[in-house]
Amino acid sequence: QVQLQESGPGLEKPSQTLSLTCTLSGGSISGGRYYWSWIRQSAGKGLEWIGRIYTSGSTNYNPSLKSRVTISVDTSNNQFSLKLSSVTAADTAVYYCAREEVATDKVDYWGQGTLVTVSS
Amino acid sequence: DIQMTQSPSTLSASVGDRVTITCRASQSITNCLAWYQQKPGKAPKLLIYKASSLESGVPSRFSGSGSGTEFTLTISSLQPDDFATYYCQQYASYSRTFGQGTKVEIK
Repeated sequence: QVQLQESGPGLEKPSQTLSLTCTLSGGSISGGRYYWSWIRQSAGKGLEWIGRIYTSGSTNYNPSLKSRVTISVDTSNNQFSLKLSSVTAADTAVYYCAREEVATDKVDYWGQGTLVTVSS
Repeated sequence: DIQMTQSPSTLSASVGDRVTITCRASQSITNCLAWYQQKPGKAPKLLIYKASSLESGVPSRFSGSGSGTEFTLTISSLQPDDFATYYCQQYASYSRTFGQGTKVEIK
């Protein structure tokens, strides 16, 4: 059974870099059939797609966040990661990692989500 | 960015009702549209992809239709488990975008 689990600090100070990791179990991140995505949800902006990475390392980012976002993949540990720099209170959200199938573009598996609060 | 607009924002309905939610795209997205259901404290769950393809394991009372800029999600007979918030998402562009959500409440 495929499972995705987010991990990382639940509190970040303004201007710092938010770092989250997603660990895949029940499958291989290097299978080549999927993109690995980050999506966030805040009360103010609803669901917001952050970006995705393919096993090759190729990435796509939301243009509104592109200057601050880096997504990377660690195939040896079956993980992928999100870094978001220069965070503000507007980046407070529940962050989800998810799997997107290359053939159909459907996002069929999501992690449970992790709340990150940006506050001093 | 392609903007997605859902209507209504809130919908009050009773068990057994037929429910329809609309999603409009700011430009044509052909059939590159998915629908998700989300319950409080949980991640979204995929219901429909490619505008009308039912995800495996999803009850057949859910259906999707539309193409271009206008899409609908229909629940043929609302069940107690269906009270939730529903989101559409386009994937025609590399930068995916979601609708603002439609909350289906008990009447």
